[in-house]
This record gives sequence, C-alpha cells and structure tokens, in this order.
Amino acid sequence: DGGITQSPKYLFRKEGQNVTLSCEQNLNHDAMYWYRQDPGQGLRLIYYSQIVNDFQKGDIAEGYSVSREKKESFPLTVTSAQKNPTAFYLCASRRTGLAVYEQYFGPGTRLTVT
Amino acid sequence: AQSVTQLGSHVSVSEGALVLLRCNYSSSVPPYLFWYVQYPNQGLQLLLKYTTGATLVKGINGFEAEFKKSETSFHLTKPSAHMSDAAEYFCAVSDREAGGSEKLVFGKGMKLTVNP
Repeated sequence: DGGITQSPKYLFRKEGQNVTLSCEQNLNHDAMYWYRQDPGQGLRLIYYSQIVNDFQKGDIAEGYSVSREKKESFPLTVTSAQKNPTAFYLCASRRTGLAVYEQYFGPGTRLTVT
Repeated sequence: AQSVTQLGSHVSVSEGALVLLRCNYSSSVPPYLFWYVQYPNQGLQLLLKYTTGATLVKGINGFEAEFKKSETSFHLTKPSAHMSDAAEYFCAVSDREAGGSEKLVFGKGMKLTVNP
C-alpha cells in the first residue's frame, strides 16, 4: 500500500533537547511538506521541498530544520530554539507536473515538550 | 498573496440536516481550491478539489462544493448529515510560485458536530 508514514505517533521531550520527526513516503512524489497544527490555527507551513537536495522555508521556519537527501524521506528537526514546540506535526507529499495534484497527508506526530 | 477565510470555528447540525461550511478565498490568479477533512488525531484526507471547468464539484462521502468566482467562494455542502461526518474541515487555496513550486494556504478550519 502506498502512503506516508510518520513516526512515532506520540513524542515526549524535555525542554532544551532537539528532536527529529520522521516522514517517509512510498508514493514516488517529488514534493514534500511539513506543517504545524495548533488548535484554532489551522495548518501552518514550516518547510517544503520540491526536489531532492532542495527545500524552502515556509511561514514559520524559525526553530526548525529539515533535510532532503532522499526522495522518499523528509525529516524535520525541532531545535531548542523553537520557543513553543508542543504541537501536532503533519507531513504531506504531492506529485508534481503540469496538472493540479493534491497533497497527501501522513497520520501526524504529536510532540509534547515539558 | 493567497488567503482563505472560514468564518467561525464550530458548526452544529442535526443528523439528516443540511451541512453548509463556508469558505471564501483571495487569489491573484485563477484559483485551485481544495476541501480536506480531518478526524481526531489523524491526518487530512482530500474531500474534493476545483481546478478548472465545471463549477460544481462532487467529492467523497456525498459532499460537494460550488466555485463562485463573483463571490470568491467555495462553500462545501452535504444534503443530509450523518454522525460519521463529525470532524474538522479545512478549505485551502493553491499558491503557485514563479519557480514552479506550489504550496497550499489553509483556512483555520471548522469543527462540525452532528447531533442525533
């Protein structure tokens, strides 16, 4: 079955620690995205990547970092510089091309930092 | 820049009643529009999308949406609500960049409660 895997489902960390969230897709999609979701705020874009070895900052990139070394993987690191990291994090991917393709979402990782 | 407005954050309907979720957009180019649904603690699932052509778009689970350019709206409807429709619904507009990359701009979402 093709899809997007995010692990773990729940993640707990102490303040001051960096943490990396995993996102893997086997849909052969070129584009991948990371969003942060807080209650009542909708989805806010953190980083996105249209192709391997290239990525762009989204609207709220401060305190986050990403890498895109492989087409199927787009890990997100939440650094200690992120002031309020507790949130639900969603990864998505999309086929690219001339047509209009929708984004497919993973199941999310809920990060709690105390 | 593209933007999406979903007025209000909660809507409550009775089972069997009409569901109407409003979405207004702002776009400097002909818009591509999407509706997604999210069940608790899950990812988002596409309900339907509008690209070009027919302005009435049918999606999954009996939902449909109508693109109205003059009103810059893309409201989501379902004639008869079912208990399983209780979820959060997001409207989104595509933001295409000059370099060819594309991202989505989401509204803040609307929680739908269905009462028995």
